[in-house]
Amino acid sequence: DADVTQTPRNRITKTGKRIMLECSQTKGHDRMYWYRQDPGLGLQLIYYSFDVKDINKGEISDGYSVSRQAQAKFSLSLESAIPNQTALYFCATSESGKETQYFGPGTRLLVL
Amino acid sequence: SQQGEEDPQALSIQEGENATMNCSYKTSINNLQWYRQNSGRGLVHLILIRSNEREKHSGRLRVTLDTSKKSSSLLITASRAADTASYFCATETMDSSYKLIFGSGTRLLVRP
Repeated sequence: DADVTQTPRNRITKTGKRIMLECSQTKGHDRMYWYRQDPGLGLQLIYYSFDVKDINKGEISDGYSVSRQAQAKFSLSLESAIPNQTALYFCATSESGKETQYFGPGTRLLVL
Repeated sequence: SQQGEEDPQALSIQEGENATMNCSYKTSINNLQWYRQNSGRGLVHLILIRSNEREKHSGRLRVTLDTSKKSSSLLITASRAADTASYFCATETMDSSYKLIFGSGTRLLVRP
């Protein structure tokens, strides 16, 4: 869905490097989420934000940080990447009061 | 740990047949949603069923919910090759409003 975009789409990095994944949305939603998907598994919630001043940890926040720069932008950082952070990363949005989430196309991250 | 477990993990059927996927969960929910993921892409919302509903239809999709058994099923009728994808159930639990917990998914292959 072009309403939720993620950059980069693919990234290869080395252990110990800092990396930032970016998410932008034009849906006007106030809620944004970052998920991680490992091969053959479902999604796990890393962080979520219900508005610009509200950021919360999800199930697997260790090793990650986030920044909500504006209503439309939510960035995920890996301060010091490690190989077991190799995964697909998805950003999602939802409208306040609505349950459905809308997903970006994903970023495939490989940490060597 | 994940809230939902899906069964089967993989399903292969012939075009035109019906496909049934099951999801079991552990704690009380506000609603249960089904999402579809084409290979390596973002998830797309299919259908939502609330805890006070027992059955819902949307086109060729039929979802049932049995809160006493903490289980749901997704039926795709008259399957098409284009239905080939992974299907995930996601629950919004009563103590985590607007956060979704995903199952591990069912990989569906529809053979032409």
